[in-house]
Amino acid sequence: KNEVEQSPQNLTAQEGEFITINCSYSVGISALHWLQQHPGGGIVSLFMLSSGKKKHGRLIATINIQEKHSSLHITASHPRDSAVYICAVHNPAGATNKLIFGTGTLLAVQP
Amino acid sequence: DTEVTQTPKHLVMGMTNKKSLKCEQHMGHRAMYWYKQKAKKPPELMFVYSYEKLSINESVPSRFSPECPNSSLLNLHLHALQPEDSALYLCASSRQGASREETQYFGPGTRLLVL
Repeated sequence: KNEVEQSPQNLTAQEGEFITINCSYSVGISALHWLQQHPGGGIVSLFMLSSGKKKHGRLIATINIQEKHSSLHITASHPRDSAVYICAVHNPAGATNKLIFGTGTLLAVQP
Repeated sequence: DTEVTQTPKHLVMGMTNKKSLKCEQHMGHRAMYWYKQKAKKPPELMFVYSYEKLSINESVPSRFSPECPNSSLLNLHLHALQPEDSALYLCASSRQGASREETQYFGPGTRLLVL
């Protein structure tokens, strides 16, 4: 079993829909990242959070440390949001700044 | 300048070739990373440099040889690779060398094909 699990693995949405991607982890963490990877490779860091909630534009990330769960929400989704979304955690028991990655959620937003 | 650049974007090499991947950042970051990513899989950490010193080697085969000539530049030297080494190679950097919980800034990657 992976230490970081994401659901769903694949998600297709219509433009304008509200989207939720979930991340559950089984290790102790000091911080959690949400990353976005477009086809072609480049990865962009969307959020780093260790508690509560963060918002940036149409993106909202929440984390519940007690439940070991985080969600990424996209409001008013747009085809340009189509990408792979990756959850990654810092495990303080592990090596310096080493991330444990989830397997990613492939999102396709159709016009 | 807030980006990590990688060259080349694409590389095709034979199993007997020697080639190098290059990564550069001018954000004053003191930690730099190499990742390998196979299709539809998350990135796998290969190496971490902290203040120009190798701090993590994730048991990577010796046919991959990292080098950090200065704080802005990270190279990955490739020699006698195997076809299964074909992947996207991503470079990343973060601000402080030994600090945890930092945002990593990724480059666009080099897509490598070994024939």
